Amino acid sequence: DIQMTQSPSSVSASVGDRVTITCRASQGIASWLAWYQQKPGKAPKLLIYTASSLQSGVPSRFSGSGSGTDFTLTISSLQPEDFATYYCQHANSFPLHFGPGTKVDIK
Amino acid sequence: QLQLQESGPGLVKPSETLSLTCTVSGGSISSSSYHWGWIRQPPGKGLEWIGNIYYSGTTYYNPSLKSRVTISVDTSKNQFSLKLSSVTAADTAVYYCARYSTVTGWFDPWGQGTLVTVSS
Repeated sequence: DIQMTQSPSSVSASVGDRVTITCRASQGIASWLAWYQQKPGKAPKLLIYTASSLQSGVPSRFSGSGSGTDFTLTISSLQPEDFATYYCQHANSFPLHFGPGTKVDIK
Repeated sequence: QLQLQESGPGLVKPSETLSLTCTVSGGSISSSSYHWGWIRQPPGKGLEWIGNIYYSGTTYYNPSLKSRVTISVDTSKNQFSLKLSSVTAADTAVYYCARYSTVTGWFDPWGQGTLVTVSS
């Protein structure tokens, strides 16, 4: 199995801040990585796929980078609606795994 | 616009079988580029992939649940289903169904989720 880790587990930030979340795979997954945003009581929402491709309709302040084992999700200027939990998910092979999540809350 | 909707009992007794159905609307479940997946989330915890199914019936399961999980598909009804046997309190979770792209490896869209509580 390919396991996923994320850091930090939580981050406190202010509106307008730049926020970076890291996801690491236990072995190389090329660019087979997706990022999701989840708000309380809601289903996850796809933000980024194949590590750096922005899903249609997602604001351009979200960006993804990385390949191999190390990946990054960046929010360039945090907006009020961005306070949520973010998950990475590898798609290199079955079984699929999600990272443990990073909660972004208000400072 | 493709939509997915989970349905099934919200309360299951320990040792019994959890059964959920996901109904797909706005598109065909018989698409060659997609799988159909189940993901769960225990209260206050992270996401756990349960398994995927292709419209042909080919399945992929999480090894940690494989002995208890069965996912099936009914293309005539545009539905796929989850059965999880011998449930315990640890199986209490919100269960989501979602479409999985075999080309790019993402889940989108997701159903709204349904809370299943295991309790006597």
